[in-house]
Amino acid sequence: GNSVTQMEGPVTLSEEAFLTINCTYTATGYPSLFWYVQYPGEGLQLLLKATKADDKGSNKGFEATYRKETTSFHLEKGSVQVSDSAVYFCALQNTGGFKTIFGAGTRLFVKA
Amino acid sequence: DTAVSQTPKYLVTQMGNDKSIKCEQNLGHDTMYWYKQDSKKFLKIMFSYNNKELIINETVPNRFSPKSPDKAHLNLHINSLELGDSAVYFCASSQAGVSNTGELFFGEGSRLTVL
Repeated sequence: GNSVTQMEGPVTLSEEAFLTINCTYTATGYPSLFWYVQYPGEGLQLLLKATKADDKGSNKGFEATYRKETTSFHLEKGSVQVSDSAVYFCALQNTGGFKTIFGAGTRLFVKA
Repeated sequence: DTAVSQTPKYLVTQMGNDKSIKCEQNLGHDTMYWYKQDSKKFLKIMFSYNNKELIINETVPNRFSPKSPDKAHLNLHINSLELGDSAVYFCASSQAGVSNTGELFFGEGSRLTVL
């Protein structure tokens, strides 16, 4: 079955540090890939997405590239801010499907 | 204007009680979901409805009964609450179909505490 594996947290960084959160997936077919972010006390919101191989999703300085050959979708940001502190979820959904599979989430703490 | 709204936001109750959580979306989507998030933030799908029809039921105990009166509403009723039901329950919606990427829009969550 489909599954998503992402690096365990928490990840603690200083402001302006480089961020990478690893995500790999197992899926049949050609899924769409997502990163969602959950700020404290809120629901999840879409951060970025990619729908086919080699697509790069980007938003708010974050980016991730859909790598079919390594079945990965790692999240990166060049310079994190305190306001980026949140839980980040990698997810996949088969095209036209109804079920989104989430990774376990990675908590990020950014110190001033 | 809130896109996906759920009520109540907080619910504290005793074991054995019955409770309901309501969800409404104004995005015109045809698919709605209930997810459960445990204390470690792990997110698990419970149910999904497409055009008021149940399409996903993920081995959830019979004590949980979803109901979708129309495409814009999905409610969750829980009977005989147990300690293990304590969690945050998220409602979400999306627009299904091959041409859509399946992005989910989440409500703010309903935190259920069973004492």
